[in-house]
Amino acid sequence: DIVMTQSPDSLAVSLGERATINCKSSQSVLDSSKRESYLTWYQQKPGQPPKVLIYWASIRESGVPDRFSGSGSGTDFTLTISSLQAEDVAVYYCQQYYDTPFTFGPGTKVNIK
Amino acid sequence: EVQLVQSGAEMKKPGESLKISCQVSGDTFTKYWIGWVRQMPGKGLEWMGIIYPGDSDTRYNPSFQGRVTLSVDKSSKTAYLQWNSLRASDTALYYCARHRGSGVQWDFGFWGQGTLVTVSS
Repeated sequence: DIVMTQSPDSLAVSLGERATINCKSSQSVLDSSKRESYLTWYQQKPGQPPKVLIYWASIRESGVPDRFSGSGSGTDFTLTISSLQAEDVAVYYCQQYYDTPFTFGPGTKVNIK
Repeated sequence: EVQLVQSGAEMKKPGESLKISCQVSGDTFTKYWIGWVRQMPGKGLEWMGIIYPGDSDTRYNPSFQGRVTLSVDKSSKTAYLQWNSLRASDTALYYCARHRGSGVQWDFGFWGQGTLVTVSS
């Protein structure tokens, strides 16, 4: 199985400041022929199902604010919230969909400082 | 608009069987893989497996294989997650979710509201 790790486990950021979450896969999730990494970022707020923010590592889902961005390729990925808003308090998960089982990272909890 | 509506919360005893459902509307049911995700209380997301409604091809997470069964009913556009003998450790919120695109290698673009399963004697 591909093991996904995330860092940090949690972070507290002031409103308007940048939040950065890292995700690492135990093996590459890059499809060299398509030049795409099979990596998605989800946001889960309390009492709600997860919601896709970013897929193919860097493509923002329709309707997602542009303060969310994804980067990285291969085994190392980053989700950045450029200016944290109150409504961004949530747990963020990465998931690889390169090889089954399509494993999730353990999650990063984001709070307001 | 794609919608996934899951069956209601369940309370069961250890050793009992259970089948929960996920009805899909708004798109061609047989074209997209549907999966199940477990979230134990206060914990993260675990990918359990996926099923292709077109031919019932199934991919299980080895951690769950043999413990659960995925199935579909094409006539009612419903996916199912089934246990033959529940354990207390199966207590969790279970989400069904549909792939974004019509292939195996896709993420879950659409989610149900979750079904809470509680197993206690």
